[in-house]
Amino acid sequence: QVVLTQSPSASASLGASVKLTCTLSSRHSGYAIAWHQQQPEKGPRYLMKVNSDGSHSKGDGIPDRFSGSSSGAERYLTISSLQSEDEADYYCQTWDTGIVVFGGGTKLTVL
Amino acid sequence: EVQLVESGGGLVQPGGSLRLSCAASGFTFSNHWMTWVRQAPGKGLEWVANIKEDGSDEYYVDSVRGRFTISRDNVKNSLYLQMNSLRAEDTAVFYCARCHGSSWNFDYWGQGTLVTVSS
Repeated sequence: QVVLTQSPSASASLGASVKLTCTLSSRHSGYAIAWHQQQPEKGPRYLMKVNSDGSHSKGDGIPDRFSGSSSGAERYLTISSLQSEDEADYYCQTWDTGIVVFGGGTKLTVL
Repeated sequence: EVQLVESGGGLVQPGGSLRLSCAASGFTFSNHWMTWVRQAPGKGLEWVANIKEDGSDEYYVDSVRGRFTISRDNVKNSLYLQMNSLRAEDTAVFYCARCHGSSWNFDYWGQGTLVTVSS
């Protein structure tokens, strides 16, 4: 079964950039993933889909500060010009026939 | 504007039943797979179930298979989750979400409804 691994926490300064990583299990390194943001006490919000070739397609209204990329089994979410409202939990998600899998989430702190 | 509004959550005793609803608007509901995802207090997201555009196919996470049933009414633009034999570990906020067409990345989410299983 496909497994997604995320670091539990990350931090970066206001105005800086941060790159979050989601790692697919090696047998599933060609899979696409989706990134979702969950701000405190809110429901999740779709950010983008990231394909294995690094192409990505963002959800409606997602700012240009958010971008996605790939390398091997790793999928990345880069947030530039960090703002206070970017402090949130970030989840990656993928799918296979009959199953959907989430990573454990990364809690991003904006310093 | 795409909107998903869940309802039906509440407090239920172990072994009891509850039916969640999700009212969809702002898009052609019958063109999309739909899903339920849950989040236990202080925990991450867990996928629960998916249903095909016409309701002819369903998939479940192992922990709820046989106890939960996902369904939809494409005339009422509504998604449902019938939950039976509820356990304490089912306590969570339940979200409905829209799948991006026939792909299973979830591109719109509701605000969630809280289900508490406790005596």
